[in-house]
Amino acid sequence: KQEVTQIPAALSVPEGENLVLNCSFTDSAIYNLQWFRQDPGKGLTSLLLIQSSQREQTSGRLNASLDKSSGRSTLYIAASQPGDSATYLCAVFTGNQFYFGTGTSLTVIP
Amino acid sequence: GAGVSQSPRYKVAKRGQDVALRCDPISGHVSLFWYQQALGQGPEFLTYFQNEAQLDKSGLPSDRFFAERPEGSVSTLKIQRTQQEDSAVYLCASSSGLQTNTGELFFGEGSRLTVL
Repeated sequence: KQEVTQIPAALSVPEGENLVLNCSFTDSAIYNLQWFRQDPGKGLTSLLLIQSSQREQTSGRLNASLDKSSGRSTLYIAASQPGDSATYLCAVFTGNQFYFGTGTSLTVIP
Repeated sequence: GAGVSQSPRYKVAKRGQDVALRCDPISGHVSLFWYQQALGQGPEFLTYFQNEAQLDKSGLPSDRFFAERPEGSVSTLKIQRTQQEDSAVYLCASSSGLQTNTGELFFGEGSRLTVL
């Protein structure tokens, strides 16, 4: 069974810092990987989708990379802002379902 | 619709009651997923539909859980004889893609079920 792990579980940084969130998965046979953010009491908001043939995707201050062979992805957030505070989840798609990690809870301190 | 819509947003049920949770996916989205999310955890897969066909229901925790999507659009997740361990947020998501070429996944706000 595919297992997805996210490190660290929680992260607190001062405003303006660049940061990296990590996601690893055990089975490299994936079709794509997606990063989401979740605010308390809310659903998940899609941030970036990386197809299995791609190495990275960028959207604004966010950059996600994918190394499928080693089972790893990183989400890079540049110049963090207090509004970035949320839980960030990665998910890999294997054909019938997305497998999720437990998330990284990010707090950006003003 | 503009996004995935779920109802009710909050549901309180007494143990043993049946509940029905509704999901309206984004118009035209072929794929629909149901997930269960416990507090502080990532979403756990329940079931997957491609149009009206339920292609994977391996995540349904017991035979008290049943999902349908009869016309390939709106889906309903039904839980019979609810138990306290069923308390969770139930998330619905839809995608325009198919199994091997799924597109971006869009989630609804979720239905929070509390079983007393």
